[in-house]
Amino acid sequence: EVVMTQSPATLSVSPGERHTLSCRASQSVSSNLAWYQQKPGQAPRLLIYGASTRATGIPARFSGSGSGTEFTLTISSLQSEDFAVYYCQQYNDWPLTFGGGTKVEIK
Amino acid sequence: QITLKESGPTLVKPTQTLTLTCTFSGFSLSTSAVAVAWFRQPPGKALEWLALVYWDDDKRYRPSLKSRLTITKDTSKNQVVLTMPNMDPVDTGTYFCAHRVAYHGSGSFDYWGQGTLVTVSS
Repeated sequence: EVVMTQSPATLSVSPGERHTLSCRASQSVSSNLAWYQQKPGQAPRLLIYGASTRATGIPARFSGSGSGTEFTLTISSLQSEDFAVYYCQQYNDWPLTFGGGTKVEIK
Repeated sequence: QITLKESGPTLVKPTQTLTLTCTFSGFSLSTSAVAVAWFRQPPGKALEWLALVYWDDDKRYRPSLKSRLTITKDTSKNQVVLTMPNMDPVDTGTYFCAHRVAYHGSGSFDYWGQGTLVTVSS
């Protein structure tokens, strides 16, 4: 199965800062990659699919890039509501697989 | 407006069978390109995909759990059911169902249920 590795595991940031989260696939997944945001006690929320297409209603401060094995999610100016865990997920091959997550916390 | 909601037992004993129902509205599982999947998340851990059923009744399962998973759909009731026999404490976690972004070849999920916490304990 395709192993997804996210880094860093935890990111301590201040509101208003710009930060980039990374996701690496153990083999090429083309552009078949999604990003999700999950807050405690809630279901995941789709942010990005197709590596770079924002889902409906997602603010423009979220952007995704990459293809093949290297992907990034950039949050241009972190808002208080953005503190959460972020997961990448590939859907190029079965089984669908997720990364271990990056927790974005307040510094 | 698309909504999904999981239902089922919150506590199961080891070796028992878990049956979870996902009841949805706002879409039909008889429409081309539609699919619904099940996921789970152990406490404090990452998401794990379990199974998926397509509008045409094609199905996919997580290979490591394939012998234990069965996913079925009831289009008339707008439900998807997941059964998982021989439950073990390591199967404890929150179980989610989700709607696949509706285009052929998609594998991301845009609408999710709230999740249901299942604890496996004697």
